[in-house]
Amino acid sequence: QVQLVQSGAEVKKPGASVKVSCKASGYTFTNNHMHWVRQAPGQGLEWVGVINPSGGGTKYAQRFQGRVTMTRDTSTSTVYMDLSSLRSEDTAVYYCARGRENRLDYWGQGTLVTVSS
Amino acid sequence: QSALTQPRSVSGSPGQSVTISCTGTSSDVGSYDYVSWHQQHPGKAPKVIIYDVTKRPSGVPDRFSGSKSGNTASLTISGLQAEDEADYYCCSYGGWYTLIFGGGTKLTVL
Repeated sequence: QVQLVQSGAEVKKPGASVKVSCKASGYTFTNNHMHWVRQAPGQGLEWVGVINPSGGGTKYAQRFQGRVTMTRDTSTSTVYMDLSSLRSEDTAVYYCARGRENRLDYWGQGTLVTVSS
Repeated sequence: QSALTQPRSVSGSPGQSVTISCTGTSSDVGSYDYVSWHQQHPGKAPKVIIYDVTKRPSGVPDRFSGSKSGNTASLTISGLQAEDEADYYCCSYGGWYTLIFGGGTKLTVL
């Protein structure tokens, strides 16, 4: 069965960076894109970007351009999302979600990132 | 790309039907049959309940159905049950590998 297991909660100071991981299992890692979606407290879902684990190509939402980097490690079937220059508004739960033909089909459990001085 | 437009809340009594709308543009909802709906209970990760406008993943009850007309997609839940109380998000492919979400709708079962 498909499983996406994310790293644990993080607390960061403003201006710092955070790296969240998402380990995939139960399918061929390089066959599906992986998306990242975030949800601020009490707010809706917001698409952050996507990575193609096969070639490493990425596409980011315009508002995160320059601050987000998505990478992958095919040897461990893990994708990473690095967000830099953190501010309080980046406090959110970050989800990885598997892509399939221009949609999402499985979600990770989420990782809470708290930005606070 | 702006978020898709959903009503902030809807409600219904057990056994009734409710419909949640999701309005986009000719660049997203109106251009692609890649609209999905995601159910999220408090403190939980979202779960896909409808994909490709009308399809249901295995295990999702047929009380959940989807449709689309022009730039607006809809989710209908018939025979409301208490466990359907949750937040619902629509999501559309926006071209060039991008996805766009709606603002979310809180469903209350009275």
